[in-house]
Amino acid sequence: QKEVEQDPGPLSVPEGAIVSLNCTYSNSAFQYFMWYRQYSRKGPELLMYTYSSGNKEDGRFTAQVDKSSKYISLFIRDSQPSDSATYLCAMSLPGAGTALIFGKGTTLSVSS
Amino acid sequence: NAGVMQNPRHLVRRRGQEARLRCSPMKGHSHVYWYRQLPEEGLKFMVYLQKENIIDESGMPKERFSAEFPKEGPSILRIQQVVRGDSAAYFCASSPPQGAYEQYFGPGTRLTVT
Repeated sequence: QKEVEQDPGPLSVPEGAIVSLNCTYSNSAFQYFMWYRQYSRKGPELLMYTYSSGNKEDGRFTAQVDKSSKYISLFIRDSQPSDSATYLCAMSLPGAGTALIFGKGTTLSVSS
Repeated sequence: NAGVMQNPRHLVRRRGQEARLRCSPMKGHSHVYWYRQLPEEGLKFMVYLQKENIIDESGMPKERFSAEFPKEGPSILRIQQVVRGDSAAYFCASSPPQGAYEQYFGPGTRLTVT
């Protein structure tokens, strides 16, 4: 079983739709949960990070963590063509400097 | 405030040559991480460094790969005697001292081994 599982998609939605992206993980010791956006041939861009369980909202983006189910989600409201990218979830153990464990990413395409 | 800088952006090497990849962290960041992204694979951690110290190299291949972060200058990822399987995108990330979860990535170096 891989540490972090993420459906690769592709996921295609019309402009304005609500998008739900998800990851599951196996290591219950993970404490920090991140979402990155990566455009083709670019570096990953940090969208949001969450500590432990709960929700966090930033503009059109909402991140949710359910540690009991080992499941995290990213919701994008009012999706735009500019949201078309690959979305990577990442997780880390607590500590001052630890490696991020990434999912393989979900490719999202938003059509106008 | 400049982000993480990497150079070169593209690097072509023949089998057996050496590749040197450079990374300058964001201002105020003292922690540097290197990751590799192979085609159809996710990002994989390679090494974590602070100034003049390798803290965690658990993801680094045992041979041919080395990394450093000197007191002055950028962090360097060095690959000796490159092979075709080393062709990948190599990303550097940096974080502030108190937040490893807040890693910001550079644009990457795309290494092609011919």
